[in-house]
Order: sequence, then C-alpha cells, then structure tokens
Amino acid sequence: EAAVTQSPRNKVAVTGGKVTLSCNQTNNHNNMYWYRQDTGHGLRLIHYSYGAGSTEKGDIPDGYKASRPSQENFSLILELATPSQTSVYFCATRENTLYFGAGTRLSVL
Amino acid sequence: QQKVQQSPESLIVPEGGMASLNCTSSDRNVDYFWWYRQHSGKSPKMLMSIFSNGEKEEGRFTVHLNKASLHTSLHIRDSQPSDSALYLCAASRNYNQGKLIFGQGTKLSIKP
Repeated sequence: EAAVTQSPRNKVAVTGGKVTLSCNQTNNHNNMYWYRQDTGHGLRLIHYSYGAGSTEKGDIPDGYKASRPSQENFSLILELATPSQTSVYFCATRENTLYFGAGTRLSVL
Repeated sequence: QQKVQQSPESLIVPEGGMASLNCTSSDRNVDYFWWYRQHSGKSPKMLMSIFSNGEKEEGRFTVHLNKASLHTSLHIRDSQPSDSALYLCAASRNYNQGKLIFGQGTKLSIKP
C-alpha cells in the first residue's frame, strides 16, 4: 500500500505568519494532491502536481502556494496565514485511486 | 459551486438494514467515479470504483452508475456498526491524473 507521510500532524500558527505543510511519498507515484477538509464541504482540491517541478491550481488555490522539488516531496505553503485557513489538510498520491496521508490539523489564531 | 453533489447529507440506518447513498456530477466530461469511506479521525480510503454503466458488487457493497445522467449510487446491505462513517463520492475526467473532485459527503450512522 502507498506510503504517504505528512508533517507536522498538528500545527498552531499566528495570523500573518508563514506555514509550510510537508508531504513525502515512497511509492514513486507521479501525481500528488493537496486537499482541505471542512465540515459540510467534503474534500476541496487546493493544488496538485504531475511530477517534479510541476504544480497546478485546483479549485481553491487562493492564499496557497505549492512546491514539488522532487518526485517524493510536495509542500503546501501559506505565506500569510489567516483564520479562514484553519482546517484539516490531506496530501494524497494517485495511481488509479488516491492514497491519503494521515492529515495535518492546522489552527490559525 | 459544487460539481459533485451527494445526498442525503446524513443517514441513520438500523443495524442489519440497507443504506443507499447518491451522487451526481454536474460536469458532463467526467468518466470515472470512486467511493471513499472515512472513519472519524482517519483519512479517506477507497471503497469502490465504477467506470462503466451498470452495477458492481463487492461483498455487502454494490455500486451503480448511469453515465447518461452522471449518477452513481452506493448500497450497503446488512449494515454493521463498523459501517458508520463519512462516505465521499469523487469524480474525474481521467483515470489516473488531473483533478479528482469530491462531493460534500454523506454521514452514515448505523443504529444498533
């Protein structure tokens, strides 16, 4: 089974601060995704990537940047965090279906 | 605008009963549908996929797909307390890349 590791698992940030969420995969999948999950919204796609050096905007990219420096690593960057970005963030890789990491719970105060 | 709509939002089913969940895409270009299950505090895991018109059965779980109406449904028979979870429907234009868009989910509770 795909191994997708997210760090940190929990994060408390201050409004206006910079936050970086990291995702590492060991299965050599080309496609990686960042979603956020809020009650009543299911999973919403923020950014995704087809491979190293590639990033694509998802449905809700505003306020987020993504970076894919290698096949294994895909980061989500909040340059100026806001309370509305408080959420649970999931990274996933895709080979046919999605394989999710355990999630990062982010609170922006 | 949610391109994948699920209904109902929540559902309570007695243990041993049948649960029926629905999902429709408003994007006419999608061809692939998945159902994921997410237990409380955990990450989603793929339950079933369906890409062709018709029905697919795996144990107590059956999925239907009508490509003309872009409607899929998940049916769980002989529901167990362990089936209590958030069920998420996802749709994509491509089998293995690109956007994979989720609905808002159906929260299923199985009442002992």
